[in-house]
Amino acid sequence: DSGVTQTPKHLITATGQRVTLRCSPRSGDLSVYWYQQSLDQGLQFLIQYYNGEERAKGNILERFSAQQFPDLHSELNLSSLELGDSALYFCASSGGDSVMGANVLTFGAGSRLTVL
Amino acid sequence: QKEVEQDPGPLSVPEGAIVSLNCTYSNSAFQYFMWYRQYSRKGPELLMYTYSSGNKEDGRFTAQVDKSSKYISLFIRDSQPSDSATYLCAMSSFYNNNDMRFGAGTRLTVKP
Repeated sequence: DSGVTQTPKHLITATGQRVTLRCSPRSGDLSVYWYQQSLDQGLQFLIQYYNGEERAKGNILERFSAQQFPDLHSELNLSSLELGDSALYFCASSGGDSVMGANVLTFGAGSRLTVL
Repeated sequence: QKEVEQDPGPLSVPEGAIVSLNCTYSNSAFQYFMWYRQYSRKGPELLMYTYSSGNKEDGRFTAQVDKSSKYISLFIRDSQPSDSATYLCAMSSFYNNNDMRFGAGTRLTVKP
């Protein structure tokens, strides 16, 4: 167990629907990252939050949004789902004052989304 | 051209072989280099962490960074079937990790 908890583990839904993925970071970590992993694109950075505030955006579609709550858990909202959104979605957290602490990511087990 | 290039494999070796995994990159600002291991249906887990150029050894694993060539390597000695996984290189330039980039991952199978 990495300490990063993601729910749900698996999700099957239809095109046009909306889903919410949830992540609880490792205890003490202030940063949360969301990544999308698909077979042909590898691990793609979507968005980062630090202590409740958006810190950086990657290749995140406008149909996707995220937030980090005061208790530091985060949610990734995916709307108007398309077939191509089927992928593994990983949450990762990092923390600590050292450079290594900030750079090393601890990943959750992922949420597998299937859009039919 | 992708910022980080990594041969996806698959790579299959016999048990006990020395494995060499590599990544090239284009952003000369990258200073922090990581290797993550991802088992099937699991999240990536950190294997090695290095800063700037040089070598770092941890048990059967050695990470090498050649910044002049923009080339990093991971060597696995005496490979074991339990090493069968996908290996992802990752790199970033800043303290706050905003720009971390991952390679596509190389799938490795070690056959008994």
